[in-house]
Amino acid sequence: AQSVTQLDSQVPVFEEAPVELRCNYSSSVSVYLFWYVQYPNQGLQLLLKYLSGSTLVKGINGFEAEFNKSQTSFHLRKPSVHISDTAEYFCAVSDVQGAQKLVFGQGTRLTINP
Amino acid sequence: EPEVTQTPSHQVTQMGQEVILRCVPISNHLYFYWYRQILGQKVEFLVSFYNNEISEKSEIFDDQFSVERPDGSNFTLKIRSTKLEDSAMYFCASSAEGSGVNTQYFGPGTRLTVL
Repeated sequence: AQSVTQLDSQVPVFEEAPVELRCNYSSSVSVYLFWYVQYPNQGLQLLLKYLSGSTLVKGINGFEAEFNKSQTSFHLRKPSVHISDTAEYFCAVSDVQGAQKLVFGQGTRLTINP
Repeated sequence: EPEVTQTPSHQVTQMGQEVILRCVPISNHLYFYWYRQILGQKVEFLVSFYNNEISEKSEIFDDQFSVERPDGSNFTLKIRSTKLEDSAMYFCASSAEGSGVNTQYFGPGTRLTVL
């Protein structure tokens, strides 16, 4: 079984500042890793995913994440945030061996202040 | 861009009543999912559905829950006798294939309130 921990429930950041949203996972098998974003009154939208290969993954809207197998982490970063990045961010994993379900963390609410 | 749609956006019901939550997945997708998020808690997997049958379900998905693809476009979640603890946001998702490499596309959710 897998589990995902997002240590920060809320992260306030000033506009144009860098941000890092932390995600750690636990799994006895190999996993794929995902970050989803939920804007107000919208569904979950995929930001980026790590399947294999380069541990640095680039996604939409200038976000990137780095897979660190030894630390079982998949932290999300953006060098300069905008007001429009205000949203809830979810880290998730799925089993490489075919189980389809996504296992989510509890989410991090990112608030961008002007 | 194709998207997953869900209706209604908000459903209020009395405890013990049956509810049906509706989803229209992306048209060429073959795998369908339901997740839920109780307020303040994690998004939890409920069930996955492929080729007109359940492919996986969680412990949450007990006999009170059922899913159906009644026609070529809709995918429904039925709760037969709602409980207070069923109050949550329910998300539908679909993917082209079932492997984890394929992105699951989510709908905007239905907020279910059980009184």
